[in-house]
This record gives sequence, C-alpha cells and structure tokens, in this order.
Amino acid sequence: GQNIDQPTEMTATEGAIVQINCTYQTSGFNGLFWYQQHAGEAPTFLSYNVLDGLEEKGRFSSFLSRSKGYSYLLLKELQMKDSASYLCAVSYSGYALNFGKGTSLLVTP
Amino acid sequence: DVKVTQSSRYLVKRTGEKVFLECVQDMDHENMFWYRQDPGLGLRLIYFSYDVKMKEKGDIPEGYSVSREKKERFSLILESASTNQTSMYLCASHLAGAYEQYFGPGTRLTVT
Repeated sequence: GQNIDQPTEMTATEGAIVQINCTYQTSGFNGLFWYQQHAGEAPTFLSYNVLDGLEEKGRFSSFLSRSKGYSYLLLKELQMKDSASYLCAVSYSGYALNFGKGTSLLVTP
Repeated sequence: DVKVTQSSRYLVKRTGEKVFLECVQDMDHENMFWYRQDPGLGLRLIYFSYDVKMKEKGDIPEGYSVSREKKERFSLILESASTNQTSMYLCASHLAGAYEQYFGPGTRLTVT
C-alpha cells in the first residue's frame, strides 16, 4: 500500500473546531475519502475529493491539494457524538482503497 | 437502503481450523472487498473481486483465500487459522463507476 499519514490521536472541546490532516503519496492518485468509525462499528462514508478545493457538507468539510499530497477534514461545532476514529483513504488504481491508520478524536465537555 | 451483512459478529476458532467468513450485499454491486483492521495498523486490504469468479490479491493475502461464486456473496477463507489472524474483518462493496464503499458490521475473529 501507499504511505498515508494522519495523526494518531486528537482531543478537542465540545463546540470547537478541529482539523484532521492527512498526507499521501501523489503518484497515481485517483481520489481521497474520509470515513468515520465509532468504536465497535463499521466505517461510514463522510466525503470524497478528487479535485482541489473544499467540499462542505453540513458541519463537516474536506479539503484537497493534489500537488501537495495533502487533505484535511474540518469538523465544526463539535458534539460529543463526534468522538470517533476518522480514516483517511486514497484510491490509486481501480476501486481498492488504501487506508491511513486513523485518527482517534476525543471530544471533551 | 444499502445493506452489507456479514455472517457473524463474533467468532472464536482454534489454531489449524478452516474458517469461512461470509459477506452478502443486496445492492447488485460489482466490486467487493475484504479488509482486516488491527490497532495501530488501520485497515489493510486482503483480497478484492471485480466480478463473479474474479479475484485480486490485496496488500496482505498470505494465509487467506476468497471465493465469489455469486455476485452478491464474497467469502473469505482461512485455510488453517493461526493466532496472528485474530483480528476484526470488514467486508465492503462498491458500485462500479461510483465512489463510496459500503462496509458491513465486521466480524471479530479470535483464534486460540
């Protein structure tokens, strides 16, 4: 698989904004995905970026810079239920995804 | 609503046993995937399939095989289970031309 890097853990306060970064190897890039995974549950799709720029979807936004091999997931107005792992995944060829190790986000009161 | 189901949520097997993990999707998706998820390692692709009877190795196929006899069903087989195959196994399916992969609830396999 390709090297996809994201922070292991982050902590943020309820109501705040948090940004989770992801870097990846740019060669053969086909698209970038963010998934949310609560403990003991399956990953659920959050966003998909294939072109540069910001995609906004409610409280969640995802940004992509293809030339820099960089993406971030922005979570606004954090809620306790946002405590979860956030997985960055990249498609390089075909439809198989290469996942980062995930960022465990803890939202505190 | 999209649905991917896996045969068991929890499974305990002994070393050397043959283990079958089943995955079924009801969305007529062409593509299906098996991942395993381990703490500190994330999700890693074991095998995937683009069509009936087609299979491709992922990043960690050793010790595993797969079967896809029908479009809706993708099976992962551990020919002789070993303790290092204790893990969470996740199946996913995907419609060709779309982008989202849909995941099943996972099977937590313990090999003793």
